[in-house]
Amino acid sequence: ETGVTQTPRHLVMGMTNKKSLKCEQHLGHNAMYWYKQSAKKPLELMFVYNFKEQTENNSVPSRFSPECPNSSHLFLHLHTLQPEDSALYLCASSQTFKSYGGGYNEQFFGPGTRLTVL
Amino acid sequence: AQTVTQSQPEMSVQEAETVTLSCTYDTSESNYYLFWYKQPPSRQMILVIRQEAYKQQNATENRFSVNFQKAAKSFSLKISDSQLGDTAMYFCAFLGDKIIFGKGTRLHILP
Repeated sequence: ETGVTQTPRHLVMGMTNKKSLKCEQHLGHNAMYWYKQSAKKPLELMFVYNFKEQTENNSVPSRFSPECPNSSHLFLHLHTLQPEDSALYLCASSQTFKSYGGGYNEQFFGPGTRLTVL
Repeated sequence: AQTVTQSQPEMSVQEAETVTLSCTYDTSESNYYLFWYKQPPSRQMILVIRQEAYKQQNATENRFSVNFQKAAKSFSLKISDSQLGDTAMYFCAFLGDKIIFGKGTRLHILP
């Protein structure tokens, strides 16, 4: 496989369940991102990892817990979610979070996980 | 706070026509990056074009070009000779101190 892959593609869970979303990139990148895409709302950046270190956490509720064991893998652990957390969760990667000169590298996105919380 | 506004929720144009998608943003930063991303119905988002704020020359990628007006904080995307495969959601993104995406414009190319 190439590019950025995400599993599962679809997930339905109850509010008391615990589940995890997985993202894997095969591009040799060092930065990985989680985004939330809700209907009729802007894409929201949730977390950024650069060289396995979390560099951004945009006030995301603690029921979302990211994990980045290495530069190729990123997880989003979910527990006690709410129905309003139902959305498409997108993973992305880039060479680094910011380039040496301070600029931004292109992000490559995965196909997303469609999450439904009942 | 930075904001990105895409004022056209949905647009339709005939194949081969030219279409312009608008994007305005608000920031106090002087150095930042702007991107247009395309998300086809299959959902995988891909980069269309990027613009560095310090560059005055408008970016161009084949049929895609931007009109970057830094003073007006405007970053529109022009698609020339539109094709059926251009049907998608298009997102404008601001990357500076924060990464901010617009709500998107759904573009339909009609045969």
